[in-house]
Amino acid sequence: SAVISQKPSRDICQRGTSLTIQCQVDSQVTMMFWYRQQPGQSLTLIATANQGSEATYESGFVIDKFPISRPNLTFSTLTVSNMSPEDSSIYLCSGRDGAYEQYFGPGTRLTVT
Amino acid sequence: SQQGEEDPQALSIQEGENATMNCSYKTSINNLQWYRQNSGRGLVHLILIRSNEREKHSGRLRVTLDTSKKSSSLLITASRAADTASYFCATDNQDSWGKLQFGAGTQVVVTP
Repeated sequence: SAVISQKPSRDICQRGTSLTIQCQVDSQVTMMFWYRQQPGQSLTLIATANQGSEATYESGFVIDKFPISRPNLTFSTLTVSNMSPEDSSIYLCSGRDGAYEQYFGPGTRLTVT
Repeated sequence: SQQGEEDPQALSIQEGENATMNCSYKTSINNLQWYRQNSGRGLVHLILIRSNEREKHSGRLRVTLDTSKKSSSLLITASRAADTASYFCATDNQDSWGKLQFGAGTQVVVTP
């Protein structure tokens, strides 16, 4: 199974600023994803992080707001841009291995004031 | 958007009892995965069941899958206080290339 780490684990940010979240996997995974979990809610997929190319975004999420990079098979970043209080959520990255199991990082708890 | 629903939304039991939660989904799947989340932390992968499997066991966990009814259940036997958490099912759909769609989750509280 893959072990996934995220940095930072939590942050408190001011409205209008941006935060970049890093995701590191301890082994190569076929696919990486970014999810958002709003307070008291389930997880919603933001985008698929594609290695060496632009991420694939789900309906309701756009690149200008959530730019994503994946320079190699084990690392990805998600930036939350021009933040507002509505962006306060837990952001989780995940990696899918060849057996189709998907493992999640510990999450980044973001509070926007 | 969420694939399906879980029930119950919340479950309160005593240590030693069994906990059962159900997950329904809407489209054809490759597999279904169950996760546990403690107090808003990351998700812990519990078990994956493929679309051609009907039942799977892992320790105190038993998962069933009925593709004709588009439903799955997770049974935790002999529950412990440490099982207190939210449990989510997630489907890997046939047309979604690995993207998971999550249910709303079941919040389980196990009291000593």
